[in-house]
Amino acid sequence: AQTVTQSQPEMSVQEAETVTLSCTYDTSESNYYLFWYKQPPSRQMILVIRQEAYKQQNATENRFSVNFQKAAKSFSLKISDSQLGDTAMYFCAFMLSGAGSYQLTFGKGTKLSVIP
Amino acid sequence: GAGVSQSPRYKVTKRGQDVTLRCDPISSHATLYWYQQALGQGPEFLTYFNYEAQPDKSGLPSDRFSAERPEGSISTLTIQRTEQRDSAMYRCASSLDRTYEQYFGPGTRLTVT
Repeated sequence: AQTVTQSQPEMSVQEAETVTLSCTYDTSESNYYLFWYKQPPSRQMILVIRQEAYKQQNATENRFSVNFQKAAKSFSLKISDSQLGDTAMYFCAFMLSGAGSYQLTFGKGTKLSVIP
Repeated sequence: GAGVSQSPRYKVTKRGQDVTLRCDPISSHATLYWYQQALGQGPEFLTYFNYEAQPDKSGLPSDRFSAERPEGSISTLTIQRTEQRDSAMYRCASSLDRTYEQYFGPGTRLTVT
């Protein structure tokens, strides 16, 4: 079974600064996808960024980028120029590909507060 | 539709009652997932559908939980004889196909008293 660990229950960052959220995962498979989802106070689940394990290039979406280290099974999220609207729970998620149900396995989340 | 919708948004029920939750996925999406999210935790997989087929029920916690998607579109999740431990946010997600991103609905907050 796959597991996802987010070791930082809470973090804070000053507005306009950069913050990095950590995520590690455990799997014996080689083909999979990794995701970061954002859950603001409204409790919606919003996809932030996606990474395919076969791609060496790190994914980037505007102010959001990842540092994917496949050998270390690490998938951190960097948020640049933090904005007040980035305040949310952030969940790292893993999805096996190639067979099975493609279900998402989530970590427990990191609560990020952006301070004005 | 423009996004995944779920109803009701909030449901309070007494222990022992049955409840049915509804999910309306994005219209072009073949795959639909149900997740359970306890407070302070990440969502946990319950079951999924590919069109009307339900290939994986492995996450359903007991036989009191069942789901349907009879016409490959709208899905319902039914919990029979609810217990207090069933209190959680129930989230539905849909994707174009199994390999694509999952888009989540707003969830149904279930409280069993």
